[in-house]
Amino acid sequence: DAGVTQSPTHLIKTRGQQVTLRCSPKSGHDTVSWYQQALGQGPQFIFQYYEEEERQRGNFPDRFSGHQFPNYSSELNVNALLLGDSALYLCASTTTLNTEAFFGQGTRLTVV
Amino acid sequence: GENVEQHPSTLSVQEGDSAVIKCTYSDSASNYFPWYKQELGKRPQLIIDIRSNVGEKKDQRIAVTLNKTAKHFSLHITETQPEDSAVYFCAASNPHNTDKLIFGTGTRLQVFP
Repeated sequence: DAGVTQSPTHLIKTRGQQVTLRCSPKSGHDTVSWYQQALGQGPQFIFQYYEEEERQRGNFPDRFSGHQFPNYSSELNVNALLLGDSALYLCASTTTLNTEAFFGQGTRLTVV
Repeated sequence: GENVEQHPSTLSVQEGDSAVIKCTYSDSASNYFPWYKQELGKRPQLIIDIRSNVGEKKDQRIAVTLNKTAKHFSLHITETQPEDSAVYFCAASNPHNTDKLIFGTGTRLQVFP
């Protein structure tokens, strides 16, 4: 049983560019949440997708957007990258029946 | 707003000693409190969780206690081992708020042999 998988594992982008990160949830999970973890900090909730719609959003600007596909996989898009967007981006999946969240290994984004 | 405070930020113990990490949450509607262990460069992994209808839960050397009145919950690790060294995060979620997790700022635990 594959757990939560994310791609790519590492990414270097230049300020102003756009990036797309991908997540495949754990088998049987239908809800995907994205978190940003800055160095030395706890993960911060970006948004959550369920039934292909954004269900809730944290305190992040509109430059952060996402999508969920019919197979429950998800993408996180960030436009107009800033140096401060450098962080580990974590995807977590859950089901509507169980709140236990399983995390992917994350994508380390560096903006230069 | 929603907030989880976590203390201490760093904790050093001798192998075999106990370690305690404490968290306080602000949203009184929170009812699910997981603890995650994150080793350097790796994903957060759930080590134990507790729901608001339970005051204490144990799993071998790890236990979590919850005081809903005070909005406090704590992680207790007994007989610590060097492999317990990692960053530990507490979190809280409110089922009426899509189960998003509000994380604490983390505790770096170092267990010295």
